[in-house]
Amino acid sequence: EPEVTQTPSHQVTQMGQEVILRCVPISNHLYFYWYRQILGQKVEFLVSFYNNEISEKSEIFDDQFSVERPDGSNFTLKIRSTKLEDSAMYFCASTRLDSNQPQHFGDGTRLSIL
Amino acid sequence: QKEVEQNSGPLSVPEGAIASLNCTYSDRGSQSFFWYRQYSGKSPELIMFIYSNGDKEDGRFTAQLNKASQYVSLLIRDSQPSDSATYLCAVPNSGGGADGLTFGKGTHLIIQP
Repeated sequence: EPEVTQTPSHQVTQMGQEVILRCVPISNHLYFYWYRQILGQKVEFLVSFYNNEISEKSEIFDDQFSVERPDGSNFTLKIRSTKLEDSAMYFCASTRLDSNQPQHFGDGTRLSIL
Repeated sequence: QKEVEQNSGPLSVPEGAIASLNCTYSDRGSQSFFWYRQYSGKSPELIMFIYSNGDKEDGRFTAQLNKASQYVSLLIRDSQPSDSATYLCAVPNSGGGADGLTFGKGTHLIIQP
């Protein structure tokens, strides 16, 4: 069964550095998402992406964050000037049609900011 | 701002019994509802989704939707120790399109052997 793949599985970064989290959505899916989950808290929506542009973003997704689909397969989340509070699991998800269809999640990237 | 509420638990159920998980949502216009299972340190895994009032069954799992009362539930029959996990209820942020999901905090289910 097709899967959403995310790399790396664990990223350790010094505070203030930039990180790029990578995702390969399921190949025939059109809608892509990033979520984060701080340890012990609920899964929170960050941003959705369709047709090469941001469709929706939460208040968490400020100027520190950006997303890109640099080629036909990858979908990336860039976090600039990382802060301690950015430490979390970051999940990529995709769906074939719109958000009324089930979203399939990758295994996540654990981001640790030191 | 949509809200999705779940009892955080833990909910402890004996092996072989029926586990009943509940979720309420704030937006009466919500059209689709998703149940995910999340093991500790892992990603959410889709279990069930439901769009229409009533019941939807898939193996040992049954999702129940009552739009008038704005709740959705998940029943797990013949509970197994491997069902021990956190169950997340989620609804799209608005009517569809490329909206993200709003998740509840999840119910921690423990199946006692």
